[in-house]
Amino acid sequence: EDQVTQSPEALRLQEGESSSLNCSYTVSGLRGLFWYRQDPGKGPEFLFTLYSAGEEKEKERLKATLTKKESFLHITAPKPEDSATYLCAVQPSYSSASKIIFGSGTRLSIRP
Amino acid sequence: NAGVTQTPKFRILKIGQSMTLQCAQDMNHNYMYWYRQDPGMGLKLIYYSVGAGITDKGEVPNGYNVSRSTTEDFPLRLELAAPSQTSVYFCASRVNRDRVYEQYFGPGTRLTVT
Repeated sequence: EDQVTQSPEALRLQEGESSSLNCSYTVSGLRGLFWYRQDPGKGPEFLFTLYSAGEEKEKERLKATLTKKESFLHITAPKPEDSATYLCAVQPSYSSASKIIFGSGTRLSIRP
Repeated sequence: NAGVTQTPKFRILKIGQSMTLQCAQDMNHNYMYWYRQDPGMGLKLIYYSVGAGITDKGEVPNGYNVSRSTTEDFPLRLELAAPSQTSVYFCASRVNRDRVYEQYFGPGTRLTVT
């Protein structure tokens, strides 16, 4: 069964303390893996798409990487404004437009 | 561009009532989606559409209906509301272009059924 698992469920960091969020996936071929940021009471906001193992993408303090089994979202020297829930999603290669499987997210909290 | 807009932001329904959640996008996207998000859970797909006049069921369609008469609008209809439909509902859209799969989400509608 296709599955996306994110860990940890919640992560509390001190400002400036770097860390990584994990997204492991089990699908029959990968068309794309996505990272979204979701602030409380708002819709998810797109961050990155990764297409193949070895690919990396960066945006400010965030860097996403991809292997054949998992993706990491590295956050370097985070600031309080980076606090949010980070969602991972995958689109299997066999799927049409519809099948995008979301993980349940990691709640990140950065203390000043 | 306003992006994806949803109305209302909040709604309380009594069991058995019906309502329509509105969704509109001004990006000329072909694909539109309705998801629900329950606390601590991932987004679950309810219905999707690949263009005007074409809709299909997602993972959790029971108790809902959709229509797509224009490219811009994709309303979600709840018939005979049940407490299990208490959730946050998100509408999303994306362009139909190869290797461009990211979705753009609306702000959500928080629905409580009591």
